[in-house]
Parts: sequence; C-alpha cells; structure tokens
Amino acid sequence: GQQLNQSPQSMFIQEGEDVSMNCTSSSIFNTWLWYKQEPGEGPVLLIALYKAGELTSNGRLTAQFGITRKDSFLNISASIPSDVGIYFCAGQGPSNDYKLSFGAGTTVTVRA
Amino acid sequence: DTGVSQDPRHKITKRGQNVTFRCDPISEHNRLYWYRQTLGQGPEFLTYFQNEAQLEKSRLLSDRFSAERPKGSFSTLEIQRTEQGDSAMYLCASSLRAQGYTFGSGTRLTVV
Repeated sequence: GQQLNQSPQSMFIQEGEDVSMNCTSSSIFNTWLWYKQEPGEGPVLLIALYKAGELTSNGRLTAQFGITRKDSFLNISASIPSDVGIYFCAGQGPSNDYKLSFGAGTTVTVRA
Repeated sequence: DTGVSQDPRHKITKRGQNVTFRCDPISEHNRLYWYRQTLGQGPEFLTYFQNEAQLEKSRLLSDRFSAERPKGSFSTLEIQRTEQGDSAMYLCASSLRAQGYTFGSGTRLTVV
C-alpha cells in the first residue's frame, strides 16, 4: 500500500492562481520526486530533490525537500490550463536506492 | 532514442487467459522496473532488474506473475490465469543509476 499521504486529493484552479500541494510520510526518504501524469500516459518527472532543505524550481514549479526528510511540497505559480492533470509525489531510499513509493495523487482541474 | 516503449498500449482479455507485456527501456539504461497502477492510486512497485538479474519482487507479484529480462535489454511481464483484480495500468521504467527514472506510457489491462 501507499506510504505517503498526499493532499489535497483534488483541487480546482482558475487561470493565474497559485496552487500548492504537499506530501508527508512516516518514513524518511533520501530523495523526493514530483511527477505529473496525464490520462493514458505514464508519469513524467517534474522536479527531483536530493537534499533536506533543498528548494528547487523548474519554470513556474517550485518544490522543497522538508528538513525532517519526511515531507515535501510543490507549488505551481500563475497556473495555466495545461497544468491540469494528476500530480504525484514519490520518495526514494534510504533502505534501497531503486524503489519509489508514491502518494495517491492530487487531481488538478480547471474551474469552469 | 524515443524513451521507454511499452507494447501493447491496451489489452482486453477474458478471465483465465494469459497475457504478456513487453517493455523496451532507454538503450543505455541498465536498471528496469515494473509498477502497477490502479484507478485513483499512485504506481506501486512490482519488480526491479539490474541488467538481466531480477533483484527484488514485491509481494504484490503473486506466483501468477513472472517477469524476465533475458539479455539485459527488453523485459516481459507475463500474467497467467488472469483475474478481474489484475485490471490495472502496468508501467515500465528504466534508469542508468538510482536517479533519473523514465517511465513508459504503460499498458492498460482490462480483464473481463
């Protein structure tokens, strides 16, 4: 089963809004990853975080690796319609360096 | 290189039939992974190969499931005597090191 708690489960965005989602775990991880998945496709990596406290940006996306190594957040600034999709957090390590544990996802939909 | 390729993209099968999926990883990647994703959930780890060696199998991988990577290149995942609970998206991913996972587009299995 899933080890990671991701919230919110879903959200509606209006173009131009900033949105935020987060992920918490009962276990520590060495790496936090954020993926986006669109219908019928596999997850695509958005941001990878390798160090506690690290803050990394990729265009309008910003993610942070929590100091406790048990949490991470993702912010999307000035959202646009193509930001819709399902966003997943994933943790990796320390007990092994190959397995990813995923959250259940945050579904982002455009508000009509 | 066009990324991780999975075939078929969709498979509908009758309960009790055997199915086989294929994954072609990125050519220089020596690590290959299989994940399963059910509706509304994040991907769950099934198994991991380093070159041709299968190094871990999740307990999700019952004895009806078998995965191979005979020459350390492409991999196959076979499900014998399919059950309705096997309906899911089966995702393959590859990487050169622990970081840098790339997922394929997945095979959507429907068991009727």
